[in-house]
Amino acid sequence: EAGVTQFPSHSVIEKGQTVTLRCDPISGHDNLYWYRRVMGKEIKFLLHFVKESKQDESGMPNNRFLAERTGGTYSTLKVQPAELEDSGVYFCASSPQPGQGIYEQYFGPGTRLTVT
Amino acid sequence: AQTVTQSQPEMSVQEAETVTLSCTYDTSESDYYLFWYKQPPSRQMILVIRQEAYKQQNATENRFSVNFQKAAKSFSLKISDSQLGDAAMYFCAYRSASGGTSYGKLTFGQGTILTVHP
Repeated sequence: EAGVTQFPSHSVIEKGQTVTLRCDPISGHDNLYWYRRVMGKEIKFLLHFVKESKQDESGMPNNRFLAERTGGTYSTLKVQPAELEDSGVYFCASSPQPGQGIYEQYFGPGTRLTVT
Repeated sequence: AQTVTQSQPEMSVQEAETVTLSCTYDTSESDYYLFWYKQPPSRQMILVIRQEAYKQQNATENRFSVNFQKAAKSFSLKISDSQLGDAAMYFCAYRSASGGTSYGKLTFGQGTILTVHP
């Protein structure tokens, strides 16, 4: 079974440009999460999809970030326009429909975003 | 809001010995889940061990065990018989069990880099 995959693995863009990150969850996982780790700091939650719906987007930092999950499969996270403080590693995770149990979130390898 | 603190940025251990990684958290909730995740260099994060707050018995997974002290809000990870493959960044994480829209959100600590010396 393929794990969570993310593309690209690394992106370097200039301030003001647009970048789109992609996450493919494990097949059949209804839940998809985005997290971000800014250099030297803790991993922070961005948002949670259940199928194609946004369950929780309380962690999205501002309206320059747009996440979509059309069709309830893969998800994209667009940053437009990128700022220097957006640099960091963006992680995606997925889990099966959990109910309220102590389920595991399976993480992808992350996309390292560098804004110069 | 919940917070998770890992006060040890780096730890080291000799192969075959035991090491304990610290984690404390702050919450007003009574029902929650705690996790330890491991991220080896250039690899993805994987779950090491998990604990439900309502269970008094400490979770164990082979060489990994936790010391869960609910009153003290402490959740340390003990690695016994350390192996070279245990070298990684370890993250402690909290998730609410109380429902609401944020039921899926993991709150992480800052991470502890573990080095294993041969």
